[in-house]
Amino acid sequence: AQKITQTQPGMFVQEKEAVTLDCTYDTSDPSYGLFWYKQPSSGEMIFLIYQGSYDQQNATEGRYSLNFQKARKSANLVISASQLGDSAMYFCAMRGLYNFNKFYFGSGTKLNVKP
Amino acid sequence: SQTIHQWPATLVQPVGSPLSLECTVEGTSNPNLYWYRQAAGRGLQLLFYSVGIGQISSEVPQNLSASRPQDRQFILSSKKLLLSDSGFYLCAWNPQPSGNTIYFGEGSWLTVV
Repeated sequence: AQKITQTQPGMFVQEKEAVTLDCTYDTSDPSYGLFWYKQPSSGEMIFLIYQGSYDQQNATEGRYSLNFQKARKSANLVISASQLGDSAMYFCAMRGLYNFNKFYFGSGTKLNVKP
Repeated sequence: SQTIHQWPATLVQPVGSPLSLECTVEGTSNPNLYWYRQAAGRGLQLLFYSVGIGQISSEVPQNLSASRPQDRQFILSSKKLLLSDSGFYLCAWNPQPSGNTIYFGEGSWLTVV
């Protein structure tokens, strides 16, 4: 079974600074995918970034990058140049090869960007 | 383009009443479909997923059931709601056979009183 752990229930960051949101995972699957989602106060879930376990390079999408350290089983999200609109809940998720149809989510991190 | 809709957006139901949340996906065929629940301030819990019409997999024993009467329609139901069923319910889809992400609907806020 897969397990996702996000140990930071809440984070603060100053506008225009970078912030790292932590995510560790546990799986016995030889291949898996890692995802990050943003959930604003409206409730919608917005896909941010994807990292495959066999991808050679860390994924990047605009101001979002995924710091993937396979040996440590961590997949931290880095947001550069934080904006006020980045204030939201952020969820790390994964799915494994043997449970390909199931996406498992962490408990989330509430990010607050201060002006 | 593909879109996903779920309704109603908000509902307040008394304990013991039935529930029906509906989700439809447009612009794709044979998607994987999911129901998640998010308790207040918590992560997402996978409730059900479906890989095809009439095929439902349940993740946790609970007071809810799901059905997929058509390829792009997914319904979450209960015969008698409990207080603990309150939460934010999200429908999601993922393209087969190996879409690399999962797309969510707008969500439904359920309050059982």
